[in-house]
Amino acid sequence: QKEVEQNSGPLSVPEGAIASLNCTYSDRGSQSFFWYRQYSGKSPELIMSIYSNGDKEDGRFTAQLNKASQYVSLLIRDSQPSDSATYLCALTSPQGAQKLVFGQGTRLTINP
Amino acid sequence: DGGITQSPKYLFRKEGQNVTLSCEQNLNHDAMYWYRQDPGQGLRLIYYSQIVNDFQKGDIAEGYSVSREKKESFPLTVTSAQKNPTAFYLCASSIPGGSPLHFGNGTRLTVT
Repeated sequence: QKEVEQNSGPLSVPEGAIASLNCTYSDRGSQSFFWYRQYSGKSPELIMSIYSNGDKEDGRFTAQLNKASQYVSLLIRDSQPSDSATYLCALTSPQGAQKLVFGQGTRLTINP
Repeated sequence: DGGITQSPKYLFRKEGQNVTLSCEQNLNHDAMYWYRQDPGQGLRLIYYSQIVNDFQKGDIAEGYSVSREKKESFPLTVTSAQKNPTAFYLCASSIPGGSPLHFGNGTRLTVT
């Protein structure tokens, strides 16, 4: 079982709708969780961090963490074509808090 | 402005040659990382360093070497022993303790 699993997509969502991205992880010891956005050919950029159970909202983005069920999700409200990108889920490895483990990413396309 | 500078952006080499990728940061971060990304894949950790003059192997260290002589610099050498060196290489830095990573713009290496 992979440490971090994401549906690779592509996920296609109409403009203005809510995009929902999911990530599951295998090790209960993970403490810090991140969502990165990566445009084609570019480096990842951090869009959300979440450290405790529940929801965290930042503008159109909401991260949700459920440590008991070992999943973290990202909701994008009022999706825009500029949201089209690959979204990477990442979390700290319990083997060493300095290491970040990444999922393979979900490719999201927002259709005008 | 603080940031991470990777150079060059594109690099072409012949098979059998060693090549060194540069990474410099002025964020005053203690920890630095090298990741590799292949098309349609997530990021895989090559090496990381939590402090000057110390570094640890990541998940795919074979065929790579690093040094950390200065806090600001963490160069990566791709040796001829690396069987599939063509990839997108990303350098990152962070403060200790499960903080998010800040990425450079990446170096795309092509070996023929």
